[in-house]
Amino acid sequence: QQQVKQSPQSLIVQKGGISIINCAYENTAFDYFPWYQQFPGKGPALLIAIRPDVSEKKEGRFTISFNKSAKQFSLHIMDSQPGDSATYFCAAGRDDKIIFGKGTRLHILP
Amino acid sequence: GAGVSQSPSNKVTEKGKDVELRCDPISGHTALYWYRQSLGQGLEFLIYFQGNSAPDKSGLPSDRFSAERTGGSVSTLTIQRTQQEDSAVYLCASTVHGGSNTGELFFGEGSRLTVL
Repeated sequence: QQQVKQSPQSLIVQKGGISIINCAYENTAFDYFPWYQQFPGKGPALLIAIRPDVSEKKEGRFTISFNKSAKQFSLHIMDSQPGDSATYFCAAGRDDKIIFGKGTRLHILP
Repeated sequence: GAGVSQSPSNKVTEKGKDVELRCDPISGHTALYWYRQSLGQGLEFLIYFQGNSAPDKSGLPSDRFSAERTGGSVSTLTIQRTQQEDSAVYLCASTVHGGSNTGELFFGEGSRLTVL
């Protein structure tokens, strides 16, 4: 059972454009929603996270939008740069368990 | 080093052999996680430790997989009688208390297992 569904699987964006990755979850008990960024040969690293009491969180060029009623959240990368090319994972957590989506491979064209 | 350390970084083994993968978490981190990353499958949760105990083993795919943690620090993931479908990158992560409470998992660079 896939508890966190992520789309698209891959994404190509022009430099300077907006990258948008979407996730949906099933378990309403989840109370923590992080996004992780992974470069080839490295482990994932936390990028930004949100809790369900807010609808949006922004850190620099990265924004999480959260829709509790729809059980959906998304990552927006503004002014996308070639250095943002990586695999992005959304996740949902409750207590001590964090479940990840299948990842989105993002490629920013120079 | 200050980060999560995993060894070996690469392991090639023959089908049917046993393998052990090691994780050294960040000092002081009480929670430790193992995930498996296969192509196109994302990060698959395997097991979680709080201290030396494993309150959640629900992700272990079969009884060929086991893990232990000693001294609240180093953890070993053991795969017995390896199969080709076990080929993947095995990632370890640690955090201060628990993922949802503190927010950030610190991952190692993984152990890439190839079963021939």
